[in-house]
Amino acid sequence: DIQMTQSPSTLSASVGDRVTITCRASQGISTWVAWYQQKPGRAPNLLVYQASTLESGVPSRFSAGASGTDFTLTISNLQPDDFATYYCQHYYSFPYSFGQGTKLEIK
Amino acid sequence: QVQLVQSGAELVKPGSSVKVSCRASGGTFVNYAINWVRQAPGQGLEWMGGIIPVSGAAHYGQTLQGRLTITADTSTNTAYLELSSLRSDDTAFYYCARSEVDEYTSGWFQSDLWGQGTLVTVSS
Repeated sequence: DIQMTQSPSTLSASVGDRVTITCRASQGISTWVAWYQQKPGRAPNLLVYQASTLESGVPSRFSAGASGTDFTLTISNLQPDDFATYYCQHYYSFPYSFGQGTKLEIK
Repeated sequence: QVQLVQSGAELVKPGSSVKVSCRASGGTFVNYAINWVRQAPGQGLEWMGGIIPVSGAAHYGQTLQGRLTITADTSTNTAYLELSSLRSDDTAFYYCARSEVDEYTSGWFQSDLWGQGTLVTVSS
């Protein structure tokens, strides 16, 4: 099975900051990676698919990329609404799996 | 506008089974798969498995295989998750999520639409 190792588990930042979250796949998965945002008490919400394509309606301060088996989600100019938990997920082969999550907190 | 509407919260006893439903309101399952994802309190997301309702083809994660059954009824646009031999560590929110299916490869894409979640509490 493919493992997604996500880091950091917690990230403290201030409004206006730029932050980057990383996921490393245990083997090559092309660009079959999605990123989700989850707020407390809510279902996850799709932000990015195919490693770097923003879902419709997602603000342009979000960006994502891939290099080999490393995948990144970057949020520029953090806004109060961005403080949430973020998950990566691969959908290369079954079973699909998620990273452990990154909780983005206000510093 | 399509929504995935899940059944209500369940309180079940250890050793019993639970069946959670996910209905596509305002749409159908054609060209989509339905995934099931769970989240224990304060924990991360776990992909459990899923099904292409039109064909019935299902895939399961390793940790729950043998206890998990995923089915679908295309006449009512409803998918089901049934988990048996429940234990306290099965207490979690259970989410359904829709993924478009590649018509050429049958691969499943990202989950672009999620249900509201169903809390299953396993307690005596």
